[in-house]
Amino acid sequence: GENVEQHPSTLSVQEGDSAVIKCTYSDSASNYFPWYKQELGKRPQLIIDIRSNVGEKKDQRIAVTLNKTAKHFSLHITETQPEDSAVYFCAAKGWGGGNKLTFGTGTQLKVEL
Amino acid sequence: DAGVIQSPRHEVTEMGQEVTLRCKPISGHDYLFWYRQTMMRGLELLIYFNNNVPIDDSGMPEDRFSAKMPNASFSTLKIQPSEPRDSAVYFCASSFSSGGTNYGYTFGSGTRLTVV
Repeated sequence: GENVEQHPSTLSVQEGDSAVIKCTYSDSASNYFPWYKQELGKRPQLIIDIRSNVGEKKDQRIAVTLNKTAKHFSLHITETQPEDSAVYFCAAKGWGGGNKLTFGTGTQLKVEL
Repeated sequence: DAGVIQSPRHEVTEMGQEVTLRCKPISGHDYLFWYRQTMMRGLELLIYFNNNVPIDDSGMPEDRFSAKMPNASFSTLKIQPSEPRDSAVYFCASSFSSGGTNYGYTFGSGTRLTVV
């Protein structure tokens, strides 16, 4: 089955700096890669996703890149703000398995003033 | 749409008691997932359904856990008997696929279960 590794587990940045979270996946047939943000005590919420036929996608301060050859994808947050502080999860949809996603272990992002 | 609706939001029960968690997925979604989240183990997939049929229950910890989806708008996760190690936040999520294209999950607000 699919295996997703996520790094780093914690990340601390100064407000206004950029943050990058990286994930690798094992199944070369994986075709869908969403990112979720979970604030303390809240539900995970989809913030951006990318499909295997696209190399990069951007939405305001958030961007995701995908390298299919290396089997890794990354989340980039620019001009970080305190409200970006949360746990971020990457996920991958492997071959078969219906709509089942395999999640990474999460990155605790802290944006310091 | 009101999103994925879970109940109760909080549940405190004594060890040995039966616990039932409920979920109403988004109308039109054909997949429903039950996850458990703890600090130690992160997000664990327990079971998922496609068109009300259980597809993969390999994540269900043991026979004390059972899940049903009697129709497209309702699912339950039952723990009987409950144990302190079952304490966690249980999330329900739903999603849909169309023409072979998959879409991301929408999670419910979760049920925080405490077994004392």
